[in-house]
Amino acid sequence: GENVEQHPSTLSVQEGDSAVIKCTYSDSASNYFPWYKQELGKGPQLIIDIRSNVGEKKDQRIAVTLNKTAKHFSLHITETQPEDSAVYFCAAVSGSARQLTFGSGTQLTVLP
Amino acid sequence: EAGVTQFPSHSVIEKGQTVTLRCDPISGHDNLYWYRRVMGKEIKFLLHFVKESKQDESGMPNNRFLAERTGGTYSTLKVQPAELEDSGVYFCASSPTGNYGYTFGSGTRLTVV
Repeated sequence: GENVEQHPSTLSVQEGDSAVIKCTYSDSASNYFPWYKQELGKGPQLIIDIRSNVGEKKDQRIAVTLNKTAKHFSLHITETQPEDSAVYFCAAVSGSARQLTFGSGTQLTVLP
Repeated sequence: EAGVTQFPSHSVIEKGQTVTLRCDPISGHDNLYWYRRVMGKEIKFLLHFVKESKQDESGMPNNRFLAERTGGTYSTLKVQPAELEDSGVYFCASSPTGNYGYTFGSGTRLTVV
């Protein structure tokens, strides 16, 4: 089955700096890669996603890049703000399956 | 549009007792999923319903877990009897047909003591 590894597990940045979270996946049949943000007491919320036929996608301060050859994808947050502090999860969906395989999460702290 | 609703939000039970978690998906979403996060680890898949049918239950840990989805609407996840290792946060999510866009509920934090 699919295996997703996520790094780092914790990340602290100064407000206004950029943050990068990286994930690798094992199944070359995976074709959908979402990123979720989880705030305290809430469920994971989809913030951006990318499909395997696209190399990069951007939405305001958030961008995701995908390298299919190397089987890794990354989340980039620019101009970080304190409200970006949360746990971020990457995930992958393999082929015709619909279940998400998650990474272990990254606790992002943006210091004012 | 109402989101995915889960209740209770918290449950503390003793080992050996029974607990039932409930999930109300977004109206019209045929796909309903249960996931679990244990001890700060990754969120893991439990099972997937399409309407009232179990499409994939490969993530269910053992036969102490029973999931149902009545009439393709709300779903329940029963743990009987509960063990200490069942503690964690149980998430429900739903999505429309042909769309990967999951919407998650806020989760039920289950503590077995």
